[in-house]
Amino acid sequence: GNSVTQMEGPVTLSEEAFLTINCTYTATGYPSLFWYVQYPGEGLQLLLKATKADDKGSNKGFEATYRKETTSFHLEKGSVQVSDSAVYFCALILNSGYSTLTFGKGTMLLVSP
Amino acid sequence: DVKVTQSSRYLVKRTGEKVFLECVQDMDHENMFWYRQDPGLGLRLIYFSYDVKMKEKGDIPEGYSVSREKKERFSLILESASTNQTSMYLCASRRSGDSGTQYFGPGTRLTVL
Repeated sequence: GNSVTQMEGPVTLSEEAFLTINCTYTATGYPSLFWYVQYPGEGLQLLLKATKADDKGSNKGFEATYRKETTSFHLEKGSVQVSDSAVYFCALILNSGYSTLTFGKGTMLLVSP
Repeated sequence: DVKVTQSSRYLVKRTGEKVFLECVQDMDHENMFWYRQDPGLGLRLIYFSYDVKMKEKGDIPEGYSVSREKKERFSLILESASTNQTSMYLCASRRSGDSGTQYFGPGTRLTVL
């Protein structure tokens, strides 16, 4: 089956630190990959996505590169802000028919001033 | 601005009660989803619907049912609420063929006493 594995949190950083949240996947087909973010008290929202190998998704200073050889989609940001404190979910979907998203368990990020 | 709304942010019910959670989207999306979110377990798919009057079981449908009589509305029903259904419930929608780009509501935190 399909699965997504994320590093466990919480990840605790000081403002302006470099962020990496690891994500690896297994898939029975050829997936598209996503990062969703959930700010406190809100639903999830799409942060970025990549649909094929070597694609780089980017948004709001975050980026992730689809690495087929290592089945990974690690999230990075060069300088985090307090406002980036949230839960981050890595997800995949197979590019076929009526597929549904498979989510990782989420990684909480806490950024202190 | 796209929007998914859920009928309640917080709900408290008693064991054995019938519970209705309502979700409405204003984007004319064909596909709609219900998830529950629990600490350490991430998001788990309960039911989804590809179109009006259609429904498909997700990963954890036991104890739940759904109704989709109109395109914009997707209801989750707990026939006889139990304490193990205490959770955060998230609704989402997406355009058919738009792969993994889903739009989420703010969630309903349900407590069953």
